[in-house]
Amino acid sequence: GAGVSQSPRYKVAKRGQDVALRCDPISGHVSLFWYQQALGQGPEFLTYFQNEAQLDKSGLPSDRFFAERPEGSVSTLKIQRTQQEDSAVYLCASSLVPSRGHGETQYFGPGTRLLVL
Amino acid sequence: AQSVAQPEDQVNVAEGNPLTVKCTYSVSGNPYLFWYVQYPNRGLQFLLKYITGDNLVKGSYGFEAEFNKSQTSFHLKKPSALVSDSALYFCAVSGGTGGFKTIFGAGTRLFVKA
Repeated sequence: GAGVSQSPRYKVAKRGQDVALRCDPISGHVSLFWYQQALGQGPEFLTYFQNEAQLDKSGLPSDRFFAERPEGSVSTLKIQRTQQEDSAVYLCASSLVPSRGHGETQYFGPGTRLLVL
Repeated sequence: AQSVAQPEDQVNVAEGNPLTVKCTYSVSGNPYLFWYVQYPNRGLQFLLKYITGDNLVKGSYGFEAEFNKSQTSFHLKKPSALVSDSALYFCAVSGGTGGFKTIFGAGTRLFVKA
């Protein structure tokens, strides 16, 4: 079956521009996560949705970052007034069950590589 | 607070030899441990996880990992490496007081030489 998809795969933005990154999770998956992966680092948690509810946004680095999942399926991560330090790969992952931090397997998309010039 | 350490940036092994990629963790409470693999321009792929029970966990592509509570380690192993195993490997932990979060290590690049 179809896995997690993300678009665009690559995005170049000028500093100060707004960007929107899309994630299509596996159909029926309740949980959706966003991660930021800087070059040479592991993914870092940004935010978590259970269906349409954003239950944890503690990893969002600033108020320029905003995520939504209005119908409990597709999610969008928006970055306003992009800065060079926002350059990274943004990964989306989904999981079938609600997350309790108890070993639920996450399925990752290919990521969106964002470059801010 | 949860944390994961992968002490080796890179591991080199000859094809056919056994491989080990190291991981140690810190978590308050019961740990849930994962290994993921990342190929170029692709997302992370799940390899295996430890939740409870047998300390030796078997996963995809012939990989296995051993949970050692006293050493707080979860090393990834494979008896005979393949060139196609060359990739970036991430250890991760959830549980304890981390809530919804999964914490990933910085990754270890595995090179398997023919």
